[in-house]
Amino acid sequence: GAVVSQHPSWVICKSGTSVKIECRSLDFQATTMFWYRQFPKQSLMLMATSNEGSKATYEQGVEKDKFLINHASLTLSTLTVTSAHPEDSSFYICSARRALEQYFGPGTRLTVT
Amino acid sequence: GENVEQHPSTLSVQEGDSAVIKCTYSDSASNYFPWYKQELGKRPQLIIDIRSNVGEKKDQRIAVTLNKTAKHFSLHITETQPEDSAVYFCAASLETGTASKLTFGTGTRLQVTL
Repeated sequence: GAVVSQHPSWVICKSGTSVKIECRSLDFQATTMFWYRQFPKQSLMLMATSNEGSKATYEQGVEKDKFLINHASLTLSTLTVTSAHPEDSSFYICSARRALEQYFGPGTRLTVT
Repeated sequence: GENVEQHPSTLSVQEGDSAVIKCTYSDSASNYFPWYKQELGKRPQLIIDIRSNVGEKKDQRIAVTLNKTAKHFSLHITETQPEDSAVYFCAASLETGTASKLTFGTGTRLQVTL
């Protein structure tokens, strides 16, 4: 149990376009999901906490208007990178919370050209 | 906020030897300490965790110890195998029953050589 999926696994987009990434908990309900960003050979940097039915909580320095988060159901959270730029290229990973544990999705590699 | 430091950044051991990774945290209120293993290009996977009401927890070749007074916790891997090679992250959080976030260490790249 505790399987989290993420879609797409990789995406290439042009500068100025928007990209949506989905995070799903497949076999459990998650009122809380988290979105992380990971640069090569670095740790996971928390971007925001996604709460079902309410607004996301963003970490300091993360632009909420650029990284739109929607947690419309107990099994789905989405992250939309708006007006993407090359510096947004990164590995984005979500996690879903079950009890005290966090279970991670496989990640989405975003490349902005 | 919480700050977690992790050492060493890289660790190379021979197969069969033990590996120890250490983390320190800053917030004395933190009460949940998980360890994650991340293979290249893959998701972090929870391998073991410990709560502040216990000092040690073991699961086969993996053990974690916690010293609340000193605010540090360690991961111990015995009889290492090549498949243990990965990046290991420690984390800390204050679990209050509602949503709380993990603060991750900087990671340790473990290489198990034959």
